[in-house]
Amino acid sequence: KAGVTQTPRYLIKTRGQQVTLSCSPISGHRSVSWYQQTPGQGLQFLFEYFSETQRNKGNFPGRFSGRQFSNSRSEMNVSTLELGDSALYLCASSRDAWDEQYFGPGTRLTVT
Amino acid sequence: ELKVEQNPLFLSMQEGKNYTIYCNYSTTSDRLYWYRQDPGKSLESLFVLLSNGAVKQEGRLMASLDTKARLSTLHITAAVHDLSATYFCAVDIWAGNTPLVFGKGTRLSVIA
Repeated sequence: KAGVTQTPRYLIKTRGQQVTLSCSPISGHRSVSWYQQTPGQGLQFLFEYFSETQRNKGNFPGRFSGRQFSNSRSEMNVSTLELGDSALYLCASSRDAWDEQYFGPGTRLTVT
Repeated sequence: ELKVEQNPLFLSMQEGKNYTIYCNYSTTSDRLYWYRQDPGKSLESLFVLLSNGAVKQEGRLMASLDTKARLSTLHITAAVHDLSATYFCAVDIWAGNTPLVFGKGTRLSVIA
């Protein structure tokens, strides 16, 4: 069974630009969560989608948004990038709300 | 607000020695996870602890959960260099429909 995949794996952007990251969950998994990992703040929850609906959102500004498609694939978008958005963005999928989450390899975003 | 505290944050151990990493959390939880992360990599699930008194072992690692004390431990037996990594505990407040709240991680270095 294929694991969670994320694309791209690495990304370099300039301040003020926007970026879209993609996550394909494990087949059959309907819940997708996004996390941001930085050296200073650690791992922080961004949002969670289930059956195309955002059910939970972490404490991040509105520049961070996401969506989920009918095939459970998810995208997150960050607009007007700031240097502080440089991070490893991890996507996790689970079969349903109460199941264990499985993490993808992450997208390393660098903002210059 | 749920707080998850790990200690120590940094641990340098000699090969062959034993040590314990502690994870305290501030509110009732149904489940607790331990993950391993190698530099530049994603999170690898080690253990899922679902009830009070749960104990799980895999190789040189053993995890336990005391929900009354709101404490989980990750015990390392006879450490080897391959165990060098960062270990995170994460708490799920409810059985699903909620994000994981992570500790800051324990960076373990096993030296000869």
